[in-house]
Amino acid sequence: IVLTQSPGTLSLSPGERAILSCRASQSVSRNYLTWYQQKPGQAPRLLIYVASNRATGIPDRFSGSGSGTDFTLTISRLEPEDFAVYYCQQYGDSQWTFGQGTKVEVK
Amino acid sequence: EVQLVESGGGLVQPGGSLRLSCAASGFTFRNYAMNWVRQAPGKGLEWVSTITADGGTYYTDSVRGRFTISRDNSRNTLFLQMSGLRAEDTALYYCANYFSGTYYKGYEGWGQGTQVTVSS
Repeated sequence: IVLTQSPGTLSLSPGERAILSCRASQSVSRNYLTWYQQKPGQAPRLLIYVASNRATGIPDRFSGSGSGTDFTLTISRLEPEDFAVYYCQQYGDSQWTFGQGTKVEVK
Repeated sequence: EVQLVESGGGLVQPGGSLRLSCAASGFTFRNYAMNWVRQAPGKGLEWVSTITADGGTYYTDSVRGRFTISRDNSRNTLFLQMSGLRAEDTALYYCANYFSGTYYKGYEGWGQGTQVTVSS
């Protein structure tokens, strides 16, 4: 399964809403769609699993939605620490795939 | 606190071999699937290989037959034996875990990575 994320780069100001898209080439099994955040020089961090469940310690301004082939990560109000690269990942048939990433940058 | 510490990276010539290790602590290692994910310079994340809690192994197509994942539950350590290395294997290699439960909840813990550079 190929995951396509859009846009490639999102230029926004703190306090604005960010909407990131992840589209799969086939239906994602059991909605096993995961979102990660990665900041420069750091390892990725788990944000959302099974499309809409926040991982432990993730602020409620992060939310995930979608099913089948279309998924969305929404950051309701961007904080300075949210500017980063976001990746979606799918799991199915003992294979894992990442999207190419969306960079959220300061406008 | 979950800790994953990778080691074993370095500079190797094309066609050469390396063995990566990932020392785990802070969780019950035998209950977790362990994974290798790599990131080429300036690029995105790429899943490489997974070994499940019960020892099942899985690989991305580009490394199957060249890389071998294994684990030692007595030492809480994950390994990746890499052979036939190519320039396109150059990347930062992360180990990551996920709990082998009823459903997949994503890679919870990540190490800081070990750099592999394949060059003559």
